[in-house]
Amino acid sequence: AQTVTQSQPEMSVQEAETVTLSCTYDTSESNYYLFWYKQPPSRQMILVIRQEAYKQQNATENRFSVNFQKAAKSFSLKISDSQLGDTAMYFCALSTGANNLFFGTGTRLTVIP
Amino acid sequence: DGGITQSPKYLFRKEGQNVTLSCEQNLNHDAMYWYRQDPGQGLRLIYYSQIVNDFQKGDIAEGYSVSREKKESFPLTVTSAQKNPTAFYLCASSIIVLWGQSTDTQYFGPGTRLTVL
Repeated sequence: AQTVTQSQPEMSVQEAETVTLSCTYDTSESNYYLFWYKQPPSRQMILVIRQEAYKQQNATENRFSVNFQKAAKSFSLKISDSQLGDTAMYFCALSTGANNLFFGTGTRLTVIP
Repeated sequence: DGGITQSPKYLFRKEGQNVTLSCEQNLNHDAMYWYRQDPGQGLRLIYYSQIVNDFQKGDIAEGYSVSREKKESFPLTVTSAQKNPTAFYLCASSIIVLWGQSTDTQYFGPGTRLTVL
């Protein structure tokens, strides 16, 4: 069975500061993908960043980067230079095949002006 | 513009009624998915389809039905058998790199909020 755990229900950060959201997962599969999705108040799920498990290099997308620790099954998201538009729910998700995407329960991030 | 559209944005259902949620994509994606989101929870998979005229149950398929007559369209019907249908419903699509064996990023529509009166 696959599980995704986000242990921080809520977090806040000052504008322009850096924040890290935590995610741990469990799977017995050797090939899998990890994702961070953002859900702003509009409620549309927006892809933030993706990581293939076989790649050792951490993924980066502009101000967003991940710290992928495969042995520890940890996949944290770092947001640098936080902006007001980053305020949203952030979901960590795991995919082990074409038919599934397992989500964590989310972390609500508030960027404070 | 390429993307996924869902309609309506808000939907109200009376007890005992069936309602259908629309999902259309023009991304030429093979696979389409329906998820349900409840407050304080992540998304749970209802149904998915990898090819026209074929679909599979997800984790919470009871009380729901789907069809896939066209590659672009994957409507979801919430039947009267669904005991607690009030939720936010999200449709997604993705390509399939290798048939049934791989995956690619799922992209989501804007969602439909269903409320039972």
